[in-house]
Amino acid sequence: QQPVQSPQAVILREGEDAVINCSSSKALYSVHWYRQKHGEAPVFLMILLKGGEQKGHDKISASFNEKKQQSSLYLTASQLSYSGTYFCGTEGKGGDKIIFGKGTRLHILP
Amino acid sequence: DAGVIQSPRHEVTEMGQEVTLRCKPISGHDYLFWYRQTMMRGLELLIYFNNNVPIDDSGMPEDRFSAKMPNASFSTLKIQPSEPRDSAVYFCASSFRRDSPGNTIYFGEGSWLTVV
Repeated sequence: QQPVQSPQAVILREGEDAVINCSSSKALYSVHWYRQKHGEAPVFLMILLKGGEQKGHDKISASFNEKKQQSSLYLTASQLSYSGTYFCGTEGKGGDKIIFGKGTRLHILP
Repeated sequence: DAGVIQSPRHEVTEMGQEVTLRCKPISGHDYLFWYRQTMMRGLELLIYFNNNVPIDDSGMPEDRFSAKMPNASFSTLKIQPSEPRDSAVYFCASSFRRDSPGNTIYFGEGSWLTVV
């Protein structure tokens, strides 16, 4: 039931791109993406509701393929401030709870 | 606007002691969630409430854990007796009209629990 995120960890140099994937074994209604800095609470990035929907947020964007029950988060020209752990949270059809994956740790080097 | 408020922020307790974590959701939010975060399991949903009523407690690990929401502005998560394996960060989160699309959940700063 818990979505699977990949990769588990990524190390990049500033300016490089990254893709974080999230897949579920059950039909999805929505996908939520959060970023957590060490010692802080997870902070909302974006929510995707429709199959095939894509959203952008500065240089961070995401897609949601409802048929494949997958979502991907794209970080373009990464900045030092992008470092942290990224979580996807999935909501199944007919449900109202969000189940999170184990997270992807992203470390950006200068 | 005040966010989700949790207390205590940090607690160190001895095995066997009772632990009570507290949460004040964002005013007007009708859903409240308790999550536990560990390195091994990530963010686990323990229980959630809608309009103060527990909806799903299937994530509560065992009978030692209990949660209540006596009113719309307060919830507690209690562990009795506590064990070292309960050491984790416990997050409370709230949301408004979760049955409507586009609503996200907002997390508190978390309660860092260490059981020795």
